[in-house]
Amino acid sequence: GQQVMQIPQYQHVQEGEDFTTYCNSSTTLSNIQWYKQRPGGHPVFLIQLVKSGEVKKQKRLTFQFGEAKKNSSLHITATQTTDVGTYFCAGHSGTYKYIFGTGTRLKVLA
Amino acid sequence: NAGVTQTPKFRILKIGQSMTLQCTQDMNHNYMYWYRQDPGMGLKLIYYSVGAGITDKGEVPNGYNVSRSTTEDFPLRLELAAPSQTSVYFCASSSWDRGEKLFFGSGTQLSVL
Repeated sequence: GQQVMQIPQYQHVQEGEDFTTYCNSSTTLSNIQWYKQRPGGHPVFLIQLVKSGEVKKQKRLTFQFGEAKKNSSLHITATQTTDVGTYFCAGHSGTYKYIFGTGTRLKVLA
Repeated sequence: NAGVTQTPKFRILKIGQSMTLQCTQDMNHNYMYWYRQDPGMGLKLIYYSVGAGITDKGEVPNGYNVSRSTTEDFPLRLELAAPSQTSVYFCASSSWDRGEKLFFGSGTQLSVL
C-alpha cells in the first residue's frame, strides 16, 4: 500500500536558523498537504499543493511539490520559537484516502 | 459552526470491553476520517468515508468498525478492546469543494488497561 516517509524524524535548531523537512511517497500523489501539530494538540492545515513542480510561500514557509508528484519539502527560514511542533505531510493517490507521513518534530532553542 | 466534535475526550477501558467513539461535523463535509496516533508517532488511517453509506478501510482497520448512516456522523466502534489500542484517536472531515483541507477534532485519549 501507499507509504509516506519524512526525514528527518527530529530536528533541533537554534532560533534564527533555517529548517527543512522532506516528504517522500511510494506512489504518485494527486496532491500534497502539510499540517502542523503543536504538542498536545490536533493537526492544523497549512497548505495544499496540486501541480507538478509547484512552489508556494507563506511568510517564512516555502513549500515545494516535486516534478514527479512523489515528493515534497517544507522549508522554514529564520525559525522562531512559535515554529515548535511536528510537521506532517499527507496525500492520496486519487481515492481521497489521505495517508500521513511519519512527521518531523521541530524543537527551536532560544 | 462547531466544526468537528469528538466525544468523549478521555476514556479508560478494561481489556475486552467495547465502546464507541463519537464524531460529528456540522460543515456538510462529504469525506470523513478516523486516525490514531500513538505517543510520539504519526497518524495512521483506520477507516474513511467518502459519503453517507460508504466506508472503506485505511492502513490499520483491524479491531475497529465504522458506519456512516448520515453525512454528519461517523462513529468508530472498538470491539474487545486490547492494550495495543491505547492511543489518541482523531476524527477529521473535508469536502472537495473546500479544497479537501482536513478539519480535525480535538481527539479522544483512550487507555486500555
